[in-house]
Amino acid sequence: GESVGLHLPTLSVQEGDNSIINCAYSNSASDYFIWYKQESGKGPQFIIDIRSNMDKRQGQRVTVLLNKTVKHLSLQIAATQPGDSAVYFCAESTGGGADGLTFGKGTHLIIQP
Amino acid sequence: DVKVTQSSRYLVKRTGEKVFLECVQDMDHENMFWYRQDPGLGLRLIYFSYDVKMKEKGDIPEGYSVSREKKERFSLILESASTSQTSMYLCASRPIASPLHFGNGTRLTVT
Repeated sequence: GESVGLHLPTLSVQEGDNSIINCAYSNSASDYFIWYKQESGKGPQFIIDIRSNMDKRQGQRVTVLLNKTVKHLSLQIAATQPGDSAVYFCAESTGGGADGLTFGKGTHLIIQP
Repeated sequence: DVKVTQSSRYLVKRTGEKVFLECVQDMDHENMFWYRQDPGLGLRLIYFSYDVKMKEKGDIPEGYSVSREKKERFSLILESASTSQTSMYLCASRPIASPLHFGNGTRLTVT
């Protein structure tokens, strides 16, 4: 079946560097995408979302890029901090977000001091 | 801030027991969801509900049922717990067509 996945299970970056977490999706009907952050012992926390009529959206220190041609989604975190250490999930949905979400398996972001 | 509260953080049950996992949200959200999270498998949808007394099967409903008698409360029921149901269970809610808000999870161990 169609699924959402991530390229790397673990990403290690130096504190202060920029982080890029990638996600590939295969459902061409998906039109709504979300990034979640999950810290140890907590539930996933919403970071940023993007709809398919956009290719870039910026938040505070985070940017999501959507490339519909190659079905690729990325999350960029600027000036990575120790508090950014977590597992990051992408999720996709159809129906403009009214339908259920399909989650990727997650990337563990590790911050090196 | 949206608050999704799961009644237990940790639960240990025996095989064959009937198990109730409770979830309450305080933002009058229409939609509520139950996921389980397992290493290497990510989050998988068990059941969801678009409104009171409504329920829909997700991707892995076998061995589970749900109840939504009130808008703020969505219960997950394991009719006869098995060791394969040892997992982290996550409840979430949202207004229509908006991001999910998750609780902090219930880690269930079935022995």
